[in-house]
Parts: sequence; C-alpha cells; structure tokens
Amino acid sequence: QSALTQPASVSGSPGQSITISCTGTSSDVGSYNLVSWYQQHPGKAPKLMIYEGSKRPSGVSNRFSGSKSGNTASLTISGLQAEDEADYYCCSYAGSSTFYVVFGGGTKLTVL
Amino acid sequence: EVQLVESGGGLVKPGGSLRLSCAASGFTFSSYSMNWVRQAPGKGLEWVSSISSSSSYIYYADSVKGRFTISRDNAKNSLYLQMNSLRAEDTAVYYCARDGATVTAFDYWGQGTLVTVSS
Repeated sequence: QSALTQPASVSGSPGQSITISCTGTSSDVGSYNLVSWYQQHPGKAPKLMIYEGSKRPSGVSNRFSGSKSGNTASLTISGLQAEDEADYYCCSYAGSSTFYVVFGGGTKLTVL
Repeated sequence: EVQLVESGGGLVKPGGSLRLSCAASGFTFSSYSMNWVRQAPGKGLEWVSSISSSSSYIYYADSVKGRFTISRDNAKNSLYLQMNSLRAEDTAVYYCARDGATVTAFDYWGQGTLVTVSS
C-alpha cells in the first residue's frame, strides 16, 4: 500500500477559497467512501475535519467541505481565515485483502 | 470530556524495546476501536495499528508487523503498544486515536509521546 498523493503546499488570501487534492488508486480512494481529512497546527495533535468523504464532525466550520471523483478526493476551504493556516492530511481505508489505512503526505496551507 | 493521554516514550537504542500506554477517560472505552498513528520529525502521519473494542480484530502496518504488538485493557481504560526490535526509522511522535463514526474517522487524539531510537 502506498501513501496517497497530495500537493506539498497551497496558498490563498483571506476570504478566498482553496482546494487540496488527494490522489489514490482504485484500491483505496476509488473503492471506498472512507476518506477523511485532518488539520494539524504546529506542535499539536491532528484534528478531524471531514470523514466519509464529505461529512463534518460536530463543531467543524461549514467552510470546510469534502468531495470525491474517481480516485481523487478533495478538501475545499472557503472564506479563508488566518487560523486555517496549518498542515492538512487526507486518509483513506485501503483494505482490499486485509485491513489497512493510508495517509497522504500532507499539504502545507499558507494564508497570505 | 474525552481525554487520551499517552506515556512511555523516550530514548532507546536500536534493537531495544519500549511499551507505550494510552489512558482514556470521558467515554465508554470498551465500546470503541482504537489506533496508534505516528509522525516522524518533520514528516507526515503514518497509521501504525488498530484494535477492535473487544480485541477480536488486530491489524498492523507492514512497516511494524512482527515487531509491534497492540493490546488493550478495557477494565483499566488503557491502550498499549509494545515495540520490539526498534529501528532508527521508528523515531516519531506516537499518537493514540479513537475510531469515530467509521474506520479512518479518528475523532479524538492524544497529545502524543516521542520515541527516539538512537545509539
């Protein structure tokens, strides 16, 4: 099982929207509706932002949304705010023959 | 309030062993699957291992299979990770995380414990 592919960095200005892609294969992202997204600020534990591709946990802003097309999942953040600057990781179930979980390499979001 | 508190990290020589613990509180521990996820310094997240609520199902990443053992004690609300034959590449912050609504929805995380493997 290989890690999912994310862009190393993205940036945007306050108020703008950005999208982070997460590319997998037909064995992980493409086969299961089990993609999640995590936000991690420096020195902190990750925080669940999206699960099952597009669902938001209670308390997560509706500025965060998720989607999937084929083998690629996406996280969109609208109305960018300074506090959104963080690392973002996608995650997918990848258990074709046995239980397995894979993460993306992470994307550094810079709010200009 | 859900809390997960890891402990047991430290400096260990290559080939050595270490046992990590994760103390859970604020929820019915015995009802949830639990996981270990690690993060090497300056690197991304890596899933390490998962254990079902009753320990019936246990899974490992290929990178740790045969060297690490996950376990839990529901009476003590605790999760463990026994790490043997440690390598330099095992150096990381180790997080315990609770399974949320579904697999891969890790809804609560601990603060992490640092394991450094070095001679």
